[in-house]
This record gives sequence, structure tokens and C-alpha cells, in this order.
Amino acid sequence: DTGVSQNPRHKITKRGQNVTFRCDPISEHNRLYWYRQTLGQGPEFLTYFQNEAQLEKSRLLSDRFSAERPKGSFSTLEIQRTEQGDSAMYLCASSGGLAVAKNIQYFGAGTRLSVL
Amino acid sequence: AQRVTQPEKLLSVFKGAPVELKCNYSYSGSPELFWYVQYSRQRLQLLLRHISRESIKGFTADLNKGETSFHLKKPFAQEEDSAMYYCALRYSSASKIIFGSGTRLSIRP
Repeated sequence: DTGVSQNPRHKITKRGQNVTFRCDPISEHNRLYWYRQTLGQGPEFLTYFQNEAQLEKSRLLSDRFSAERPKGSFSTLEIQRTEQGDSAMYLCASSGGLAVAKNIQYFGAGTRLSVL
Repeated sequence: AQRVTQPEKLLSVFKGAPVELKCNYSYSGSPELFWYVQYSRQRLQLLLRHISRESIKGFTADLNKGETSFHLKKPFAQEEDSAMYYCALRYSSASKIIFGSGTRLSIRP
């Protein structure tokens, strides 16, 4: 599968625990995005990287959330001291590469987080 | 603030009937508009975007700047069109995408 890959697919954790998700973008893509989707809503933007630089962060991204893309390839999203309100689907998307489709964002299957 | 509004949470039509999924947006500039689709147990994928001005799977969407709308249309619905549809916009080629809340399209046989 050469698409955007996210791991794990599902994560169940207890309130107060830390969790980390990983996203592997399409290999030639230099832009990587994180979104969060709650039930009945469309995806909401969290943060965006161009190569290793984090260029934009949503105010939704509280100080308990941190994202990294250390080598400009895969990215991690960490949530510290999880709360029940963090339960959602976390989506990763990437774009870049060939000229024809370079600005299209391709989405991964997501990581579903359940905080008990 | 940029916003995308999809007024219908659920749209149910019979197979062969016309389909129109409504989308309105608010943005002061010239955004790029998209429709994304999510079929059951599949990931979110791009259906079409206004700059391409193309028909995909029989769907078309015309950007109406005067009415700030980007409605999705198909003249004859097929059962395989049943899915969740999201209207979305972005204001530059590298920027974040702002999604509507989605419309679930259900095609009855």
C-alpha cells in the first residue's frame, strides 16, 4: 500500500494516560497535515508541516498536544494526560510530489482514540 | 471566518432519481472548493474540485461566487453512490482544508 499509513488503527486508553500516534505520508510528499474528526462532524485541522517545519497550529491544539516530524518523513502526534473529550478519529493527510496532483491532500485511514 | 455549511445531515433518494447535495461557504477571498467522499469502511478521498471543472462518477459541482455555493449534483443516482459527502474549502494550495459537517447520501433501491 503506497498511500498514507497511520498506526495504530485503534487506541483505547484511560483518562490521564499519554498516547502517541504515527503517520507515514506518501513517500514523495513534503507536506503533512493532522486533522481530528468527532462524531457527526467533518475533519477539523490541527497542524501542518512542510518538510520538518511545523508551519501552522490550530487553537484546537492545546498544550497537551504536540506533533513532530523530525526528518521530514513520518510524523507523530502525542496527547498527554488524555481527557474523555479527546476521544475522536485522528486523521493524517499528505500532499506534494508530482505536478499534476501535488496540491491534493491524500488521507490516511485514521487512528480512532477512545479515552475511558 | 471561513466556514462551510452543509444544511442536510441526511439525504435519501431513490435509485435513478436526481441528487443535489447543498454546500454554502463563507470566505472573503477566492477559495478553492472541493467535494470529498467517504464510502463505508474506506478512507476519505477527493471526489472533485472546482478548478478541474470535471465530472467524476457522474457528479458535477459548479462554483457560484454570487451565492457562495458549491452544490454537488448527479442526474441519476446509483446505489454505489451511498456514502458520506463533505464539502470543503482552502484558501491556498498548501493551506489547511476546512470541511463542512457532511451529508450522508443514502440511495434506496
